[in-house]
Amino acid sequence: QKEVEQNSGPLSVPEGAIASLNCTYSDRGSQSFFWYRQYSGKSPELIMFIYSNGDKEDGRFTAQLNKASQYVSLLIRDSQPSDSATYLCAVNINDYKLSFGAGTTVTVRA
Amino acid sequence: GAVVSQHPSWVICKSGTSVKIECRSLDFQATTMFWYRQFPKQSLMLMATSNEGSKATYEQGVEKDKFLINHASLTLSTLTVTSAHPEDSSFYICSARPAAGGVFGSGELFFGEGSRLTVL
Repeated sequence: QKEVEQNSGPLSVPEGAIASLNCTYSDRGSQSFFWYRQYSGKSPELIMFIYSNGDKEDGRFTAQLNKASQYVSLLIRDSQPSDSATYLCAVNINDYKLSFGAGTTVTVRA
Repeated sequence: GAVVSQHPSWVICKSGTSVKIECRSLDFQATTMFWYRQFPKQSLMLMATSNEGSKATYEQGVEKDKFLINHASLTLSTLTVTSAHPEDSSFYICSARPAAGGVFGSGELFFGEGSRLTVL
């Protein structure tokens, strides 16, 4: 079983809609969770991190964590064409080592 | 945010040659740097953890004699792909963890821009 699993997509949403991305992880002891955005040919850039159960909001982005279900999600509100990218879920496995999911490709249609 | 620079951004080399990639933290000291490899349409796979002044720790399946890692200072780690072959062609990305007590704290990783290696 992969440590971090994501739907590969592609996820296509119209401009202005909400994009919902899901991620599950296998290590119940994981403590911190990250969402990265990666444009084609570029390095990942951090969007959100979350440590506690519940929701965390930052601008148009909301991360949700449910440790009991080993599930973390990312919502992108008011999606813009510039949000079109691959979104990587990452889980801290130990001592700052990150295990990445395969990524979900999002396309926002203008 | 903190800046991590990788050089070169892209490199093309002949099969059998060695290629060195540098990862520099420009505005902070990094006790730990991580090297990842990403094949097209795949996720980042951790190759090794590089600690300043000590030997790197390699992930299972990564050949330490092929991927030489040196972390000689608190701002520089290098990855050398020795005797490169076409299957080594990939996007290599480093990330750096700031040392404790610095401006950026030690709670976040900062990624370099990546280095794209093509082996002919």
